[in-house]
Amino acid sequence: EAQVTQNPRYLITVTGKKLTVTCSQNMNHEYMSWYRQDPGLGLRQIYYSMNVEVTDKGDVPEGYKVSRKEKRNFPLILESPSPNQTSLYFCASSSADSLAQYFGPGTRLTVL
Amino acid sequence: GNSVTQMEGPVTLSEEAFLTINCTYTATGYPSLFWYVQYPGEGLQLLLKATKADDKGSNKGFEATYRKETTSFHLEKGSVQVSDSAVYFCALRANNAGNMLTFGGGTRLMVKP
Repeated sequence: EAQVTQNPRYLITVTGKKLTVTCSQNMNHEYMSWYRQDPGLGLRQIYYSMNVEVTDKGDVPEGYKVSRKEKRNFPLILESPSPNQTSLYFCASSSADSLAQYFGPGTRLTVL
Repeated sequence: GNSVTQMEGPVTLSEEAFLTINCTYTATGYPSLFWYVQYPGEGLQLLLKATKADDKGSNKGFEATYRKETTSFHLEKGSVQVSDSAVYFCALRANNAGNMLTFGGGTRLMVKP
């Protein structure tokens, strides 16, 4: 089954404790992205990657890092989380010749 | 910059009512336009899309027409069902934006039996 998976689905942590949210897709897609969803703001792109070892900032990259060492994986790293990063995070992927993005189920992060 | 504006929700309708969710956009050139739907507890799913002016996207009884002259992409459905209850997002992708989508704030639809 074609899918985008994220782990963990739920995470409660404390300020300053480094964390990683994993994202994996099994569709051999070139493009992958991370978004955060906040009430009334829709989804805002954090980082995106057009292929292995190619990443770029989206609209709200501050406080986040990403890496793309393999085509299927695109982890999101919060080196020192802060409460304003409490949000619902979505990973998405798409092929280079398609307009449609496939979204993962989301990771709800709470930073205390 | 690019932006998408949607009507604020929630929109509450009775089953079989007509649905319109307004969406307008600001972008240079000719962006591609999308409607995504998010069911409770799930990620977003592509509902329909249109890539050029006057295109009509349609899926599952939903329709939206790309109106360049009014920079709009309103979502419509003739007869909603309880199972249509979800959050709907309008989005655009600019021509030179790779796979970067710009989303509206989302509109929650609640359909009552």
